[in-house]
Amino acid sequence: GENVEQHPSTLSVQEGDSAVIKCTYSDSASNYFPWYKQELGKRPQLIIDIRSNVGEKKDQRIAVTLNKTAKHFSLHITETQPEDSAVYFCAAIKWTSGSRLTFGEGTQLTVNP
Amino acid sequence: KAGVTQTPRYLIKTRGQQVTLSCSPISGHRSVSWYQQTPGQGLQFLFEYFSETQRNKGNFPGRFSGRQFSNSRSEMNVSTLELGDSALYLCASSPGVTGVTEQYFGPGTRLTVT
Repeated sequence: GENVEQHPSTLSVQEGDSAVIKCTYSDSASNYFPWYKQELGKRPQLIIDIRSNVGEKKDQRIAVTLNKTAKHFSLHITETQPEDSAVYFCAAIKWTSGSRLTFGEGTQLTVNP
Repeated sequence: KAGVTQTPRYLIKTRGQQVTLSCSPISGHRSVSWYQQTPGQGLQFLFEYFSETQRNKGNFPGRFSGRQFSNSRSEMNVSTLELGDSALYLCASSPGVTGVTEQYFGPGTRLTVT
């Protein structure tokens, strides 16, 4: 089955710096890659996603890139703010017959004021 | 549109008991997936229901089961609870149709088994 690896497990940055989180996946047939942000005690929130026919997608300070050849995708957050502090999860799915998401292990991002 | 809702939000059960959790998806969404979140194992897929049928199943023992009703609401049941079943159980709602894959999570049910 699909396997998703996420790095780093913890990331600490200064406010205003950029943060990058990387994920690799094993199944080359995976075709949808969402990113979720989970604040302490809250539900995972979908923040951005990318499909396999797109190489990059941007939404304000957040961007995601996908390299299908290398089977990896990355989350980029620019001009980080303290409210960006949370756990971020990447995930992958192969849309064949269902909505089974395989998640990475998560990255604890801390933005220091 | 109202978001995904889950009840109850918190549960404390004793080993050997059984528990039923409920999830109401976003209006119009026909797919409900369930995930278990623990500090050690992360987010793991339990199963997915679409149009009252189980469409996908993860690698969990048969003590974990679910169902979906005609209004798309879903329940999951865990029988003969074990200490290791203590976790946050999340459900996710999606339209379920081909090519539309965004999933939105409910707030979760925190289950503690003592």
